[in-house]
Amino acid sequence: DTGVSQDPRHKITKRGQNVTFRCDPISEHNRLYWYRQTLGQGPEFLTYFQNEAQLEKSRLLSDRFSAERPKGSFSTLEIQRTEQGDSAMYLCASSLTIAGLNEQFFGPGTRLTVL
Amino acid sequence: GESVGLHLPTLSVQEGDNSIINCAYSNSASDYFIWYKQESGKGPQFIIDIRSNMDKRQGQRVTVLLNKTVKHLSLQIAATQPGDSAVYFCAETRAGTYKYIFGTGTRLKVLA
Repeated sequence: DTGVSQDPRHKITKRGQNVTFRCDPISEHNRLYWYRQTLGQGPEFLTYFQNEAQLEKSRLLSDRFSAERPKGSFSTLEIQRTEQGDSAMYLCASSLTIAGLNEQFFGPGTRLTVL
Repeated sequence: GESVGLHLPTLSVQEGDNSIINCAYSNSASDYFIWYKQESGKGPQFIIDIRSNMDKRQGQRVTVLLNKTVKHLSLQIAATQPGDSAVYFCAETRAGTYKYIFGTGTRLKVLA
């Protein structure tokens, strides 16, 4: 257990529905990241926050995806009008940058299945 | 739990032998490299990292080697144990950006 928690662990939804995932990072960590992982692939970067500011977004993050970190602590990732291609594991990670080091600690992920 | 890496390259190693897992990274500007271990149903777990000003770093039972000339990274696991069975990913990043770029991964199977 890295100290990063995600909820829910599994989500099954029908195409067209909206879903929201939550990530609670390690409490003192100022950076929070979202990645997506499909079977047989490594995680792909989606977006990251420094405190409450969203500083970078991947081209993978279409208009249907939105992420927030309103108080610089937990974060939510919402997918609107889900598509079957959204089925994947959504991973959250957090880090505390000290002296240039940036080790990212990952949560267990939320497995999304879109029917 | 679900299976990670159904179609990944697989390395099968006898218990007690040493394992070497290789990774080719993509960006010559990358200056920080990390190895992660991922077991089924879990998120990636940090193993060891190395900065580009080094070519070797050792941890407990693990060693990472970096060859910047050919953009190659390797992870050596000494005296491989059944608990080492997992999928291993290398990741790269560079100063000024905080996202990690992950490789495709290698499944390690430890044979008893």
